[in-house]
Parts: sequence; C-alpha cells; structure tokens
Amino acid sequence: KAGVTQTPRYLIKTRGQQVTLSCSPISGHRSVSWYQQTPGQGLQFLFEYFSETQRNKGNFPGRFSGRQFSNSRSEMNVSTLELGDSALYLCASSPWTSDQNIQYFGAGTRLSVL
Amino acid sequence: AQSVSQHNHHVILSEAASLELGCNYSYGGTVNLFWYVQYPGQHLQLLLKYFSGDPLVKGIKGFEAEFIKSKFSFNLRKPSVQWSDTAEYFCAVSIISNFGNEKLTFGTGTRLTIIP
Repeated sequence: KAGVTQTPRYLIKTRGQQVTLSCSPISGHRSVSWYQQTPGQGLQFLFEYFSETQRNKGNFPGRFSGRQFSNSRSEMNVSTLELGDSALYLCASSPWTSDQNIQYFGAGTRLSVL
Repeated sequence: AQSVSQHNHHVILSEAASLELGCNYSYGGTVNLFWYVQYPGQHLQLLLKYFSGDPLVKGIKGFEAEFIKSKFSFNLRKPSVQWSDTAEYFCAVSIISNFGNEKLTFGTGTRLTIIP
C-alpha cells in the first residue's frame, strides 16, 4: 500500500498570502488528522476529519481550516499567513476501525513564510 | 486536557550504551500510548504502541517500553544503542472521547545522538 502522501513538499509564501496543503491518506483510511511541527512548540494537533466531517479541533485560530472529500483526501488552508506559521505541517491517516487506532504520518509540507 | 512530558531534551550516548527515555502523561482515564521516531530527513514512524494487556511492549529495532499506570509513565528502553538510532523520539498519548474521536498529544521530543 502506498503511504500518506502530502503535496507540495515545500512552499514559500509571503505574509498575508494564503496557502492550501493537500493530503492523500492510505487507501481505506477514513480519518485524516493535521499537525503543526515547530522547533519551539513541537507537534501540535490542528484538526481531524472523518467521513468529510471535522470531529476534533485543536487550539489554532480560525485562519487555519480544512476539509475532507468523499475519497478521504484532505486539504488544509491557512489564510492571511503570518511569520509564525512557518512550520512543518504533517498529515496522518488512520483506519479508525476500533479504539486501538494507529496514525500513520506523511513526510510533511514545509511552509516558509517570508 | 491531557499533556505529555518528556524530560530529556537531548541525550548523547556512545554506541552499545543502554538507553532509557522518560515519558509521563497526565490523564486519569484510559489512554493509548505510543512512541514515534523521526530519523533525520524522514517522516514520523511508529516505534511501538500500548493499547492494553501486557504493560511491557516490544517494538521495532530492539526497542521496548513499559507502561506503569500508577506512575503515569511509558518509558522507552533499548539495551544497546547503535549509531543508526540517532533520531528524535516522540512520546504520544491518545484518548477516546464519548464521541469516539481522538487526537494524539505529543511530548516535545527527545533528540538522541549516538557517538560511534
């Protein structure tokens, strides 16, 4: 099976712009979660989608949003970019077939905001 | 809200030394526990997991971890490290809410450097 695929791998944007990141989960996985990784804050949960519905949300401002499509692919959008949004954004998918659930991570999209 | 503490930020060991990385979490209910590893330039990979049963779990590459419920701990161990174990190690906890959804809460990570 192919792993979790994130595109693009690298992005450079300027303050005020918006950006959309894409995640294709492992085939058959219905849950997709997004995390932000920075040297100072570590890995922080952004949100989780299951069957096109956001089920859980972390403590991030409304500029961070996401969605999931019927094929389980997910996109994350950040509007009005700030310098502090520079980070590695990780997507994880899981099958969600029981309480014993494992999340599998993609390689991430590294976003640099100038 | 649950939280995860990894007290060792950077550990430097010589090859063949024994390793123990600490992980403590704060949550009074049932949890699932994980250790993930991030090798330089690579994505996060699952090292091992604990869901229930035997509190001593074995993972890939000779790693193991012990869940001690009374101490809210899930320490990672390896008897003899190799240079290839140089990586960043993350402890993570997930809980299942009443709605069945979950999120992973990560510790801040421990950078492990193995000196040949």
